[in-house]
Amino acid sequence: DAGVIQSPRHEVTEMGQEVTLRCKPISGHDYLFWYRQTMMRGLELLIYFNNNVPIDDSGMPEDRFSAKMPNASFSTLKIQPSEPRDSAVYFCASSLAGWGTEAFFGQGTRLTVV
Amino acid sequence: AQSVSQHNHHVILSEAASLELGCNYSYGGTVNLFWYVQYPGQHLQLLLKYFSGDPLVKGIKGFEAEFIKSKFSFNLRKPSVQWSDTAEYFCAVNALGRDDKIIFGKGTRLHILP
Repeated sequence: DAGVIQSPRHEVTEMGQEVTLRCKPISGHDYLFWYRQTMMRGLELLIYFNNNVPIDDSGMPEDRFSAKMPNASFSTLKIQPSEPRDSAVYFCASSLAGWGTEAFFGQGTRLTVV
Repeated sequence: AQSVSQHNHHVILSEAASLELGCNYSYGGTVNLFWYVQYPGQHLQLLLKYFSGDPLVKGIKGFEAEFIKSKFSFNLRKPSVQWSDTAEYFCAVNALGRDDKIIFGKGTRLHILP
């Protein structure tokens, strides 16, 4: 397996624009996590899915953020409208099962909102 | 909710020095504990994990960590660091009975001087 695949690797956008980040988890993994990494706040869990169903989105900062998982092999994180404070590295991770299993991370998407 | 504290935000050592990075978690029940490493410009990779059994866990690249339940700690150690260990290190916890989330500490940046 190629691991968790995220796209794009880098995204630069203007404030107010819609941004969509994409993730393909490892095949067979039932859990998918979206994290945001910033210098100030470290690695924050935004939302996670189990079998394509959102389980906990309490980490999503605002209504401008939304995430979907239409099938087992694809998830998106959307920011609309984007703001400069959304600039961060966004990581997607997947795990085989829930509790007790490690998460495998993608390469991340570095988002810059100007 | 469970949380993870990493005491050192930035550590600078010379090659061959011994390393210990502190990690404490807050949760009174059964936990899984992880250390992840993020090399410059790369994604997070698992260094080692504790699920049960021997509280002294051996990981890759000569790292080890000791789970001390009474202290809610899971400190990372390496007897002799190398320049290639320069990276950011994240401690993470997954709490049984809470949910399937993996919560990360804010990370410790380790810089090894050649």
